[in-house]
Amino acid sequence: AQSVSQHNHHVILSEAASLELGCNYSYGGTVNLFWYVQYPGQHLQLLLKYFSGDPLVKGIKGFEAEFIKSKFSFNLRKPSVQWSDTAEYFCAVNPPGGYNKLIFGAGTRLAVHP
Amino acid sequence: DTAVSQTPKYLVTQMGNDKSIKCEQNLGHDTMYWYKQDSKKFLKIMFSYNNKELIINETVPNRFSPKSPDKAHLNLHINSLELGDSAVYFCASSQMGAGELFFGEGSRLTVL
Repeated sequence: AQSVSQHNHHVILSEAASLELGCNYSYGGTVNLFWYVQYPGQHLQLLLKYFSGDPLVKGIKGFEAEFIKSKFSFNLRKPSVQWSDTAEYFCAVNPPGGYNKLIFGAGTRLAVHP
Repeated sequence: DTAVSQTPKYLVTQMGNDKSIKCEQNLGHDTMYWYKQDSKKFLKIMFSYNNKELIINETVPNRFSPKSPDKAHLNLHINSLELGDSAVYFCASSQMGAGELFFGEGSRLTVL
């Protein structure tokens, strides 16, 4: 079945460590890609998105993601995490003809220790 | 000024009851959605309306009935609540074609 996969379910880092969260999707054709963040007890907020153009996308709070079409991947990165980055991170795909229907991955829970 | 607002934020009820969750957006978007987030944080789309017309209806029990009186409002009514309906329900909106969804703060439903 077509899906969005996030490989890391739970990541624990110390402050200042680098972060990379994996996301792969299995939809063919042109897709729109997103990373959302959900801080504890809050709603989802958009970190960044890719529609077309430069495959390296910069988002808010120092996050970036790289779209690699050949690998069907859209990994999220941050060079140096902070305690305030502790949250759940969701990759999402808007597949072709999808009526803006975002399909979400299972999420990655990131815990950053001071 | 909250862009996508849902009420109530918390709802605790008994099995078999009927309850509603309301959602309103002031972003001028033409499309609204209901997503369900289960206890493992998995998000799954339930319904979507575009200009008051149902365009997405995933495999959801017919105990769930969405209603969109206008393009700024999307309500969710649930009949005969079951334990498995306990979840956080998120409303979202977008402009068709723009891709990005804006989410409300969620309504945590607990069925006892």
